Amino acid sequence: NAGVTQTPKFQVLKTGQSMTLQCAQDMNHNSMYWYRQDPGMGLRLIYYSASEGTTDKGEVPNGYNVSRLNKREFSLRLESAAPSQTSVYFCASSVTRNNYGYTFGSGTRLTVV
Amino acid sequence: GENVEQHPSTLSVQEGDSAVIKCTYSDSASNYFPWYKQELGKRPQLIIDIRSNVGEKKDQRIAVTLNKTAKHFSLHITETQPEDSAVYFCAAHGGATNKLIFGTGTLLAVQP
Repeated sequence: NAGVTQTPKFQVLKTGQSMTLQCAQDMNHNSMYWYRQDPGMGLRLIYYSASEGTTDKGEVPNGYNVSRLNKREFSLRLESAAPSQTSVYFCASSVTRNNYGYTFGSGTRLTVV
Repeated sequence: GENVEQHPSTLSVQEGDSAVIKCTYSDSASNYFPWYKQELGKRPQLIIDIRSNVGEKKDQRIAVTLNKTAKHFSLHITETQPEDSAVYFCAAHGGATNKLIFGTGTLLAVQP
């Protein structure tokens, strides 16, 4: 039982490149989330998926897209990376949107140069 | 929008002393308040939480208090140990946004 698994753990991109961050959970959770963590800013919600087939914007969605591929997987895509997207990205999941026991993945450290 | 403020941003205590971290929230309809601990380079992990129908909750050396009227909640760690050193985040959930909104974190350093 791995919990929430994120790949890759580290990535360096050049400005303008694209990439997809992958997230998968094996806890049969319905809701999944993408956060970014920047120094002094805490964790800010980028997008979330309350259930399979639905996605919604969070606090800082600009420059990102998401796909809820199935119940297990929720990916985050940067179409044209910018230095401002240098951050640590965390995926999380919970049983439902209103069940607040969030489990976080181990994070992806992304640097855009 | 909903906002969670957290203080202090850094806190240094001697081993064995108590540590208190305070948060305020803006949305009076918020109904769930978790605390997460994040060790250096690791993921945030839930350490304790409280719901709006409870004023205080304890789990061994940690406790959380909630004042709904003032929209304040606090984390109390007693008999601190070096392994308590980490960044602690408060969060508030519910209300108009129905999302978990985090504070900006407190770096706690416990000096041996």
